Amino acid sequence: NAGVTQTPKFQVLKTGQSMTLQCAQDMNHNSMYWYRQDPGMGLRLIYYSASEGTTDKGEVPNGYNVSRLNKREFSLRLESAAPSQTSVYFCASSEGPSIGNQPQHFGDGTRLSIL
Amino acid sequence: AQSVSQHNHHVILSEAASLELGCNYSYGGTVNLFWYVQYPGQHLQLLLKYFSGDPLVKGIKGFEAEFIKSKFSFNLRKPSVQWSDTAEYFCAVNEGNNRLAFGKGNQVVVIP
Repeated sequence: NAGVTQTPKFQVLKTGQSMTLQCAQDMNHNSMYWYRQDPGMGLRLIYYSASEGTTDKGEVPNGYNVSRLNKREFSLRLESAAPSQTSVYFCASSEGPSIGNQPQHFGDGTRLSIL
Repeated sequence: AQSVSQHNHHVILSEAASLELGCNYSYGGTVNLFWYVQYPGQHLQLLLKYFSGDPLVKGIKGFEAEFIKSKFSFNLRKPSVQWSDTAEYFCAVNEGNNRLAFGKGNQVVVIP
């Protein structure tokens, strides 16, 4: 029972490099989310997708793009990585479309370091 | 925008002590409330949730939380903690839109 799967688990990049973080869920959930977690800051929403075919900005979208490839997959792209984007990134999903009354299920996270 | 406050970011206590973590939010309308737990090296897991009904909700592992609407609070409690409760605890609030606002978390360390 995989739930939410994120790849890769760890990544080191140089400033200016690009990369895509992958996320897939096997729970047939409608809504998917990308967060970043920084010490003392809690979780901050980067982008979310309320349903297949839609994406919206969260609290901290600058420097990121997302693609909701299909119902299962929601990827996060860093076009030109910056040291300020060093963080742990979590993908989550919920039955949705309104996240208000549905708990979110989280992946194991991607630890990203940018030098 | 919703604001969620969690105080006492670092909490250290001994096994069998009681734990209470405060959570206050800023929105005055109908809210949905959650507590998540993140054990060392793991992802966030749902501890308990409140949508409506009895304001005292019980979650997994002996945790409970009380929703007090007049105080805009949703405090988490456990009468007697164990070493395995060492984790980071996050309060989260949703006001019916597509966003879940998280507090900054409480790092709890239980000493055997």
